[in-house]
This record gives sequence, C-alpha cells and structure tokens, in this order.
Amino acid sequence: ETGVTQTPRHLVMGMTNKKSLKCEQHLGHNAMYWYKQSAKKPLELMFVYSLEERVENNSVPSRFSPECPNSSHLFLHLHTLQPEDSALYLCASSQGNGGEETQYFGPGTRLLVL
Amino acid sequence: KNEVEQSPQNLTAQEGEFITINCSYSVGISALHWLQQHPGGGIVSLFMLSSGKKKHGRLIATINIQEKHSSLHITASHPRDSAVYICAVNYGSGGSNYKLTFGKGTLLTVNP
Repeated sequence: ETGVTQTPRHLVMGMTNKKSLKCEQHLGHNAMYWYKQSAKKPLELMFVYSLEERVENNSVPSRFSPECPNSSHLFLHLHTLQPEDSALYLCASSQGNGGEETQYFGPGTRLLVL
Repeated sequence: KNEVEQSPQNLTAQEGEFITINCSYSVGISALHWLQQHPGGGIVSLFMLSSGKKKHGRLIATINIQEKHSSLHITASHPRDSAVYICAVNYGSGGSNYKLTFGKGTLLTVNP
C-alpha cells in the first residue's frame, strides 16, 4: 500500500467521450504529478502541482486538462482523445521537490482510446 | 538533449545470481532515482542518491558522479525480484527541480 490511490484502474473510451481520472494521496504530501507511460517508451512527466499550483506543464496537448482542488486530490480531465493517447497514466506525490525527494506512485489507470 | 541510458535492456538470471544493472546520464545531476515496476504497472521507489552508496536488504545502489554512472546490484536474486528496473535523474539547476528524466528500463527475469 503506497498511500496513493487512482480510479478507475481501467478505462475504455471513444474519441468523442469526456472522462476524468482521479488520484488521491493519503501521505500529507504537498506535490502531485501526472505521468504517461506508453508501450516501449520511458515514463513522461505531464504535469506537476506544488501547493495546488501548477509548476510544470510538459508540452501536453490541451485535450488533457489537469485540476488540483487541494493538496490531496488531483484530476486529469480527458476530452476528444486520440488512439495514440492509449497508455498507462500514473499519479505520484512527494513532500517538496520531487526531483530530490522520493516520489510515491499510484497503481495507474490503463486507458484505451478507441 | 539530456538523456538517461540503461543497460542491459533485458536480463535473465538464475535464482541466487548476483545482478547488476547500469545507468548513465549526460550532464551533471542533483539526484538519481532507482525505481521498480512490477507487471500490472505499480512503481515503487527503491533508492534516491546523489553520491556514494546506499543499501537496503539485498539491494545496493552506487553512483559515480565523475563518471556520470550508477549501478543497481541485487545479491542472491530471487524470482520475486523479476520486474522492470528504471533509472531516473533530476538535472536540478539545468532544468526543473520537480522533473525527472527516465531511462527506458531494464526487464529482469529471475528463473527458479
């Protein structure tokens, strides 16, 4: 149990659908992250929130929209996705600077876009 | 472009063998992380280090700052060690303090 939960664990959606991924951390951390892991590719950072402020937006298309209502919750809103967006989406949290602090990962949401 | 190179890409070992996985990076870093990813996707952080050596159970991580190289060693390997091992670095003042750059991972299979 890492203290970071993600829902749903699996999601199938059409290209015209709108869906949201949810992440919750129970560790009292102040930074949260969204990562994308595509087949045969390294993990890619998408967004970072620190103290509920977005501090990193790694050139992610606007069809992905993050939201961080408080330090424990992070959402990724999805709309008009493409099949190449099919991937494992991982949430993580850390206390402070995640480059120099341990990041704790959730189990991921496996997304399939048809 | 700052990159992280891992070797080997795939590694198969017999139970009990000593395992070494290597990671090289291109410029100075503030920290290096070793992560473990089991089938199904969950990722666990194993080590974070900026110098020297760290040990946890059968796992040992070392880093050589001058050579821009780190190794992850597993002693007395066991089938439950089978996983993907991922190296990630933070380029610190050369980039965002929050951003990690990841290697492609090493798939380790330990046979009984």
